Amino acid sequence: GAGVSQSPRYKVAKRGQDVALRCDPISGHVSLFWYQQALGQGPEFLTYFQNEAQLDKSGLPSDRFFAERPEGSVSTLKIQRTQQEDSAVYLCASSLIRLLTYEQYFGPGTRLTVT
Amino acid sequence: AQSVTQLDSHVSVSEGTPVLLRCNYSSSYSPSLFWYVQHPNKGLQLLLKYTSAATLVKGINGFEAEFKKSETSFHLTKPSAHMSDAAEYFCVVSDRSGGSNYKLTFGKGTLLTVNP
Repeated sequence: GAGVSQSPRYKVAKRGQDVALRCDPISGHVSLFWYQQALGQGPEFLTYFQNEAQLDKSGLPSDRFFAERPEGSVSTLKIQRTQQEDSAVYLCASSLIRLLTYEQYFGPGTRLTVT
Repeated sequence: AQSVTQLDSHVSVSEGTPVLLRCNYSSSYSPSLFWYVQHPNKGLQLLLKYTSAATLVKGINGFEAEFKKSETSFHLTKPSAHMSDAAEYFCVVSDRSGGSNYKLTFGKGTLLTVNP
């Protein structure tokens, strides 16, 4: 079946531009996560949605980062006034959050390069 | 707080020889532990998970890991490496504490290369 998809796969932005990254989770998955993976590092948690509710945004690095999931399916991560330190791969994951499994299914990521 | 330390940033093995990727974790509560694999330009794929059932966990593609609470370790092994195993491997912990039982904390990764 279809997995998690993300678009665009690659994005180059000039410093100061705004970008929007899209995530289509697996159909029926109520939970959605965003992670940031810097070069040579493991992914780091950014934010979490259950349906349309953003229950945790503690990992967002600054107020330039904003995420939404208005209808409880597709999600968009928006970065305003991009900076060079925002260059990273942004990963989206979705999950059913069954008790004792917590398995998250990851998309291929969007590689953002800020020049 | 939870954290993961992957003891080797790079492991190189010959095809057909055993694989050992080491992971130590720190968690305030009874953790769930995972190993994910990341092939170039592909999404992270779950290899196996430990969630307080059997301490020896078998995963896909012949990988397994053993949860050792006394050593706070969750090392990943495979008896015989295949060329297709070459990838980045991440050890991951979720400690189900404080209601944030969904939050995954990743190690920095171990790059596995397999030589013919």
